[in-house]
Amino acid sequence: KAGVTQTPRYLIKTRGQQVTLSCSPISGHRSVSWYQQTPGQGLQFLFEYFSETQRNKGNFPGRFSGRQFSNSRSEMNVSTLELGDSALYLCASSAPREGPYNEQFFGPGTRLTVL
Amino acid sequence: EDQVTQSPEALRLQEGESSSLNCSYTVSGLRGLFWYRQDPGKGPEFLFTLYSAGEEKEKERLKATLTKKESFLHITAPKPEDSATYLCAVQARMIKAAGNKLTFGGGTRVLVKP
Repeated sequence: KAGVTQTPRYLIKTRGQQVTLSCSPISGHRSVSWYQQTPGQGLQFLFEYFSETQRNKGNFPGRFSGRQFSNSRSEMNVSTLELGDSALYLCASSAPREGPYNEQFFGPGTRLTVL
Repeated sequence: EDQVTQSPEALRLQEGESSSLNCSYTVSGLRGLFWYRQDPGKGPEFLFTLYSAGEEKEKERLKATLTKKESFLHITAPKPEDSATYLCAVQARMIKAAGNKLTFGGGTRVLVKP
């Protein structure tokens, strides 16, 4: 079974630009979550999408947004990039069932560098 | 606000030298506690989920345990390939909505020397 895939793997942008990252979850998984990982702040939750609806949101500014398509693939967008947005952006997918089946499986991440 | 603290930040072990990693947490109703392993430049790899105090899970040289306030990840007779950052995360029960938000600790960097 294929894992979570993320594209692109590496990205270099300049301040003020905007960027779109893509995530394809494990087949059959309907929940997709996005996380930002930096050396200073560690792994922080951005938002979660389930059945094309944002179900949860972390404490990030409105420049960070996302969406989910009917095939469960998800994109996240960052507008007006700042130097501090340089990070590893991780996508995680999980099965829709409640109870002891809600493990999240992570993709390899997209390394974003803002110059 | 949910909080997760991991200690130590870094751990250097000789091959075969067993040790334990600590994960202390504060959460408004624990739905699950998760352990992940992360290698440099890669996404976290799922290891275990623990749901209730007293629960234990094992996988090869790793054993995770859970109490009401903390979790331990025991590494028995580690090998160099066990070198990685180990991450602990909690998922809180949500009253109004379902969801999969994870709150992570800062991680423990483990280096096992041959």
